[in-house]
Amino acid sequence: QVQLQQSGPELVKPGASVKISCKASGYAFSSSWMNWVKQRPGQGLEWIGRIYPGDGDTNYNGKFKGKATLTADKSSSTAYMQLSSLTSVDSAVYFCARGATVVARYFDYWGQGTTLTVSS
Amino acid sequence: ENVLTQSPAIMSASLGEKVTMSCRASSSVNYMYWYQQKSDASPKLWIYYTSNLAPGVPARFSGSGSGNSYSLTISSMEGEDAATYYCQQFTSSPLTFGAGTKLELK
Repeated sequence: QVQLQQSGPELVKPGASVKISCKASGYAFSSSWMNWVKQRPGQGLEWIGRIYPGDGDTNYNGKFKGKATLTADKSSSTAYMQLSSLTSVDSAVYFCARGATVVARYFDYWGQGTTLTVSS
Repeated sequence: ENVLTQSPAIMSASLGEKVTMSCRASSSVNYMYWYQQKSDASPKLWIYYTSNLAPGVPARFSGSGSGNSYSLTISSMEGEDAATYYCQQFTSSPLTFGAGTKLELK
């Protein structure tokens, strides 16, 4: 069965960077887009971007260009999202989510979420 | 970007009551997708390609719409349906979500 296992909670200082991971299993990792979504406390969902592990192609929401960098390691079936120059507004839960179908217009499986807290 | 406006933001329904929530897009979309999210959990795919129920979703749920206007309907409210529902489009980039409709049990 498809599973997306994300790394644990992070507490980081303002100005620092953090790298969150999402380990996939149960499907062909290289053949599906992996997306990242942000959810601030009590707020809605924001799409950050996506990566196609097969060739490393990425698409970003313009709002997150320069903030998020998406990578993927096919050998370990793991997707990563690095967030840089962190501020309090980056404190949120971050989800990875698999794009459904080749066209990947929606998400059929989600990770459990990684809570990021930015605080001094 | 294509802004999705969900209404109402919060609603309550009694057991057995029919529920309808709306999602309006600022630009026309080809399909709408819906997710259910309960507190402290990940969202779950609920409806895809406007009207198809995801595996395991009860038949009391339905989705409809076209162009700029879409809706999710529950024919008869059950307690387990209390959750927040988000609509989502990816006809145009960036992919966007609505702000959600929180459905409570009355």
